Amino acid sequence: AQKITQTQPGMFVQEKEAVTLDCTYDTSDPSYGLFWYKQPSSGEMIFLIYQGSYDQQNATEGRYSLNFQKARKSANLVISASQLGDSAMYFCAMRGPENYGGSQGNLIFGKGTKLSVKP
Amino acid sequence: DAGVIQSPRHEVTEMGQEVTLRCKPISGHDYLFWYRQTMMRGLELLIYFNNNVPIDDSGMPEDRFSAKMPNASFSTLKIQPSEPRDSAVYFCASSPQGVNTEAFFGQGTRLTVV
Repeated sequence: AQKITQTQPGMFVQEKEAVTLDCTYDTSDPSYGLFWYKQPSSGEMIFLIYQGSYDQQNATEGRYSLNFQKARKSANLVISASQLGDSAMYFCAMRGPENYGGSQGNLIFGKGTKLSVKP
Repeated sequence: DAGVIQSPRHEVTEMGQEVTLRCKPISGHDYLFWYRQTMMRGLELLIYFNNNVPIDDSGMPEDRFSAKMPNASFSTLKIQPSEPRDSAVYFCASSPQGVNTEAFFGQGTRLTVV
């Protein structure tokens, strides 16, 4: 069965510093996608970054990068130069393949990490 | 496109009443997901559809919950009868085919059962 684990319920970071949010996953599918979403206090879900299981390089999107370690089944999100507006809940998610395995294209989420950026 | 549209945004109902949540996915998207978000359980996947066909409803908590997708542009999540423990934010999301495609979320429906 698929599983996403985020072990940090809350994190603090000083403005302008970098922070790493942890995510580990478990799946038996050879092909899968990993995603990070941000949920500010207003409640909307905002897609941040994607990493494919076959991607050789770590994904980057602006100040966001994904530290993908396939053998360890981890997909940590790194936010560089934190800003006050980065204060939010962050969710790691995994999508399974559609045409084989038991996941059939589902999308499951971890419990999230609440990031607070201090001025 | 206007994005994923959910209605209502807020719903307050009395225990025992029927509640229907509605979702209009993004046009052309093949997948539709229903999630429930609570502080205790986080974002739980309740059920999802591919091309209007339910694929997995193992996340539906009880028989009181049901979901339908009669066509590609509309889905409902129904709770009958509702209970106070059903109070949560319910999200609908849609996505194209492909393991590399992100899901686009609606604004959510905040349900309160008193």
